[in-house]
Amino acid sequence: GENVEQHPSTLSVQEGDSAVIKCTYSDSASNYFPWYKQELGKRPQLIIDIRSNVGEKKDQRIAVTLNKTAKHFSLHITETQPEDSAVYFCAASTVGGGSNYKLTFGKGTLLTVNP
Amino acid sequence: KAGVTQTPRYLIKTRGQQVTLSCSPISGHRSVSWYQQTPGQGLQFLFEYFSETQRNKGNFPGRFSGRQFSNSRSEMNVSTLELGDSALYLCASSLEASGSEQFFGPGTRLTVL
Repeated sequence: GENVEQHPSTLSVQEGDSAVIKCTYSDSASNYFPWYKQELGKRPQLIIDIRSNVGEKKDQRIAVTLNKTAKHFSLHITETQPEDSAVYFCAASTVGGGSNYKLTFGKGTLLTVNP
Repeated sequence: KAGVTQTPRYLIKTRGQQVTLSCSPISGHRSVSWYQQTPGQGLQFLFEYFSETQRNKGNFPGRFSGRQFSNSRSEMNVSTLELGDSALYLCASSLEASGSEQFFGPGTRLTVL
């Protein structure tokens, strides 16, 4: 089955700096890669996702890149703010074509943005 | 639209007991997935239901089971509880089972003593 590795497990940055979280996946059939943000005591919420037919996607201060050959994808947050502090999870899945939908998550990155 | 709801929010049980957790998806969503969240293992997939059928199952023992009703509401059951079953159980619903965004519920915090 799919295996997703996520690094680093903790990341501390100064406000205004950039943060990068990296994930690798094992199943070359995976074609959908969402990122979730989970604030303390709250539910995970989707912040951005990318499908395997694109290499990069941006949404304001957040961007995700995908390298299918190397089977890794990364989350980039620019101009970090204290409210970006949370646990971030990457995930991978094979979707479409009659395949079943099963998200495999990385173990999470605790991002702390220091004012 | 109301979000995904889960009941109860907190549960305390003792070893050997069984427990049933409930999840009500967003109206119109037919896919419900269940996850176990623990500090050490992160989010682990339990199973996914779509139109009352279990379409996928994670690597959990048979003590973990679930079902989905015709109104898409889902329940999961854990029998013969063990201390290691203490976790946050999250359900997530999506419109379809093919890569549409999953919306998570607030979770049920299960503590096994």
